[in-house]
Amino acid sequence: EAQVTQNPRYLITVTGKKLTVTCSQNMNHEYMSWYRQDPGLGLRQIYYSMNVEVTDKGDVPEGYKVSRKEKRNFPLILESPSPNQTSLYFCASGVGGGRYEQYFGPGTRLTVT
Amino acid sequence: QKEVEQNSGPLSVPEGAIASLNCTYSDRVSQSFFWYRQYSGKSPELIMSIYSNGDKEDGRFTAQLNKASQYVSLLIRDSQPSDSATYLCAASNDYKLSFGAGTTVTVRA
Repeated sequence: EAQVTQNPRYLITVTGKKLTVTCSQNMNHEYMSWYRQDPGLGLRQIYYSMNVEVTDKGDVPEGYKVSRKEKRNFPLILESPSPNQTSLYFCASGVGGGRYEQYFGPGTRLTVT
Repeated sequence: QKEVEQNSGPLSVPEGAIASLNCTYSDRVSQSFFWYRQYSGKSPELIMSIYSNGDKEDGRFTAQLNKASQYVSLLIRDSQPSDSATYLCAASNDYKLSFGAGTTVTVRA
């Protein structure tokens, strides 16, 4: 089944404790992206990747890191999480190459206390 | 000003009616436009993409794009209770994707 998977689905952590949210897709998509969704603010793009080793900032990159060492994986790293990073996070992937449709993973609900 | 603005909801329509959703965008270089449906507690699901001016129909859904007016719309014909969801408009400038805040649609049986 073609899908984007994220782990963990739910995470409660404390301020300053480094964490990684994994994202993997099995569709051989070139493009991958991370979003956060907050009430009243909608979906906002954090980082995106056009291909292996090629990443760029979205609208809200502060406090986040990403890497794209393999085509199928695009982890999101929070080096020192803060309470304002409490949010619902979505990973998405797309074919790329001029086609910009994106397909979303199930989401990760993160709470930072 | 947000890059993508959607008409404020919620929107309530009777079953079988047409639901009309509107969206405007501010970035004139936006090339591609999308409508996503998001059920409560679920991830966004792509329902329509439109790249050029005019109408695009897919089943009960019709997307309309007017780049001169920087306007995108979505019509849902013969609305069903299963169409009750939040609809997100998105505009793409190359690989950067901007979303509107969404319009919540409720279809009354």
